[in-house]
Formats: sequence, structure tokens, C-alpha cells
Amino acid sequence: QQQVKQSPQSLIVQKGGISIINCAYENTAFDYFPWYQQFPGKGPALLIAIRPDVSEKKEGRFTISFNKSAKQFSLHIMDSQPGDSATYFCAASYSGSARQLTFGSGTQLTVLP
Amino acid sequence: GAGVSQSPRYKVAKRGQDVALRCDPISGHVSLFWYQQALGQGPEFLTYFQNEAQLDKSGLPSDRFFAERPEGSVSTLKIQRTQQEDSAVYLCASSLQGYGYTFGSGTRLTVV
Repeated sequence: QQQVKQSPQSLIVQKGGISIINCAYENTAFDYFPWYQQFPGKGPALLIAIRPDVSEKKEGRFTISFNKSAKQFSLHIMDSQPGDSATYFCAASYSGSARQLTFGSGTQLTVLP
Repeated sequence: GAGVSQSPRYKVAKRGQDVALRCDPISGHVSLFWYQQALGQGPEFLTYFQNEAQLDKSGLPSDRFFAERPEGSVSTLKIQRTQQEDSAVYLCASSLQGYGYTFGSGTRLTVV
């Protein structure tokens, strides 16, 4: 059962553009929503995370927007750079699960120079 | 060490062979997780340890999969009688208290 749905599967953006990746979840018990960045041959690395008590969180060029009523959250990458080219995963967890993560299926981002 | 170390990085096993994958978490990290990542997919939870106690093994796909962390630090994921569907990257992650995981680079298992 896929509890976190992620789109698009792949995304191509010009350098300097905005990259937007969307996720939707089903389990209303989820209370922590991180985004991970993964480069080939490496493990996922935490990028930014949000809790449902806020609607937006910004760290540098990365912003998470969260819509609790719609059970959706998204990652915006401003001024996208070729070095941002990687696979991005949204994830979710809740306190009753020992914080195990349920991941989306991933978005392969390519930023063209 | 500074990060989570996994070994081997690559493992090729013949179908039916047993394999053991090792994870060295960050020193002092209480929580340790194993995930399985199929090609082109997100990681999927396998099992969770708090110190040496295996508190959740609900994600292990079959009784051929076994994990241990006997002294609360290094963990080993063992797969018996490997099958082709076991081919994947096996990721280990550790954390102090459940947030802010640090993942290792994984072991890529190929069963031929």
C-alpha cells in the first residue's frame, strides 16, 4: 500500500528556474514530513523537513509548502542549479512508528546548464 | 566514524546463496534502521533497532531475512537462500532519537 504518492516521476528545468515536486499522503497520523536528496551511488540525505503545524518552511533556496486539509506537501527549489540534479524523495513518519519513514517513489530532477 | 558505514558496497550472489550485509552506525546513535531500495523506487522500511533490541521487524519480506545488533552498535542484515527478487540496494540509517536520520551509501546486492 503506497501511503505517499509523489509526482512528477522526472523533471527537467533550466538553470535559474523553479523546480516543483508534489506529494500527497493518506495516513492522517503522519506528523513529520522530510525531503531527501539522493545522488547516484549515495544514500538519501536530509534536505529539509516540516511539521503540520506550519504551512511553509524555507531554508535557503529550498521551501516546503504544506496543506494539511488537502494532505499534500511540495518542495520548491528556487534558482535551480546543475548541482541540484539528483533524485528527490518526499517522506512521512509518525511518532507511533518509532519514526520509520514512508517514502514516495522519487523524482529525478535534471537542471540544464 | 563521521558517517554510517556499510559493507560490502557491492555483492553478487548466486541464487540460493546466503549473504550478510554490515552496517556501522554513527557512534552513540541509539536508533538503527534498515531499508530496501529497489531500482528506481523509494526506500522501503525493513526493520528497526533501539540499541540492541529489535523493536519492529514488520517490513522484513520473508523469514529468509534476519537482522541483529547484538551489542547495540554494529548491525548485520542476513538474507538466506537469496532469490532474484532480493536484488536491491540495502540502506542502513542511524539517528540519535528518531529524527534526522543519517543514511549510509548502501550495499547493492545482485542475485544471479
